[in-house]
Amino acid sequence: DAMVIQNPRYQVTQFGKPVTLSCSQTLNHNVMYWYQQKSSQAPKLLFHYYDKDFNNEADTPDNFQSRRPNTSFCFLDIRSPGLGDAAMYLCATSRQNIQYFGAGTRLSVL
Amino acid sequence: LAKTTQPISMDSYEGQEVNITCSHNNIATNDYITWYQQFPSQGPRFIIQGYKTKVTNEVASLFIPADRKSSTLSLPRVSLSDTAVYYCLWKGSQGNLIFGKGTKLSVKP
Repeated sequence: DAMVIQNPRYQVTQFGKPVTLSCSQTLNHNVMYWYQQKSSQAPKLLFHYYDKDFNNEADTPDNFQSRRPNTSFCFLDIRSPGLGDAAMYLCATSRQNIQYFGAGTRLSVL
Repeated sequence: LAKTTQPISMDSYEGQEVNITCSHNNIATNDYITWYQQFPSQGPRFIIQGYKTKVTNEVASLFIPADRKSSTLSLPRVSLSDTAVYYCLWKGSQGNLIFGKGTKLSVKP
């Protein structure tokens, strides 16, 4: 009964080839987040939505974009992936100050 | 930008109580302190959250002193399955979360 679902779990792309990661939720939460987590590091917030209001972290590269067409779905678009973008990407929702994470998508860049 | 400070790693044995402390000197007055557990190749999972004093649930306790500049996660009688990374984090007034560096807990038989 997964509540925050990320697809795919593993994604391989080529250097410079656009890639989209998907997240869906069954919790009907207003807030959704995208994090990047590199090996042995804490998750790093990229951006979040409150409903359709988009909030970009100041240090999130322009290479990263996001879309939220409705409450249930959120997408992370990496326009031109570089080798340094290889990481685990985590989607989360929140309600009452508690975050609910998906299992993540591990992105490899060849 | 406030930073959290946690020990990088801790070792324990099964059945022991484990206490992990986090420093968050610059936490704002309206911020919660939240702790998450993360296993390899999985997303973080909520453990416990508090604002002040002591909070206890079925898996852990959280102690927060009056000045709220630190918090201590207490795991009673750990088992091998508690081996994971534990993150302290606080929530800003804008709704964003900032994770600490994480503490890698290793529980040995």
